[in-house]
Amino acid sequence: SQTIHQWPATLVQPVGSPLSLECTVEGTSNPNLYWYRQAAGRGLQLLFYSVGIGQISSEVPQNLSASRPQDRQFILSSKKLLLSDSGFYLCAWSRDSSTTDTQYFGPGTRLTVL
Amino acid sequence: GDSVTQMEGPVTLSEEAFLTINCTYTATGYPSLFWYVQYPGEGLQLLLKATKADDKGSNKGFEATYRKETTSFHLEKGSVQVSDSAVYFCALNMDSNYQLIWGAGTKLIIKP
Repeated sequence: SQTIHQWPATLVQPVGSPLSLECTVEGTSNPNLYWYRQAAGRGLQLLFYSVGIGQISSEVPQNLSASRPQDRQFILSSKKLLLSDSGFYLCAWSRDSSTTDTQYFGPGTRLTVL
Repeated sequence: GDSVTQMEGPVTLSEEAFLTINCTYTATGYPSLFWYVQYPGEGLQLLLKATKADDKGSNKGFEATYRKETTSFHLEKGSVQVSDSAVYFCALNMDSNYQLIWGAGTKLIIKP
């Protein structure tokens, strides 16, 4: 069966510090991968998606970046965090991009920028 | 553009009450529709989905019917439990698009 891992589970960082959140998927190959942010009391915002190694599409301009160094690894990074980067970050995967396909979510990382 | 609108929460019900959470959508084509649930402190889980008009998705006692004529996908459950307390998200997915379009979420609180 497939599983998706995210770490860390929680993170408190000062403004201006760097960020690296990691997501890995097991039990499948060549998944589509996604990074979402969920601000408190709001819905999900797609940040990045990837259909293959080294292929990253950005949905929203921001000071975050994403990389996919391996088939089942997706990393969310920032060089300098802003207060507005606080939120709940969710990684997801799907088998393909068809309309009927389900996205499966990881447990999330709660980031607080102080 | 495509969008999803959900009823605002929180929705507070007593145990064993009937639940309806409204979801309507705007889309230029024929999307697939999803309900996801987020339990406190956790990520999202797919609850149910429907891929074409008149399809009914069901899971864990929850049901939703894809109504093309009213562009709706309302979530229902006949008898809720305290364990159903969570945030429920309605979403759609269009052809040739990797992105799920999300509603803002509806918080459901079930009191014993």
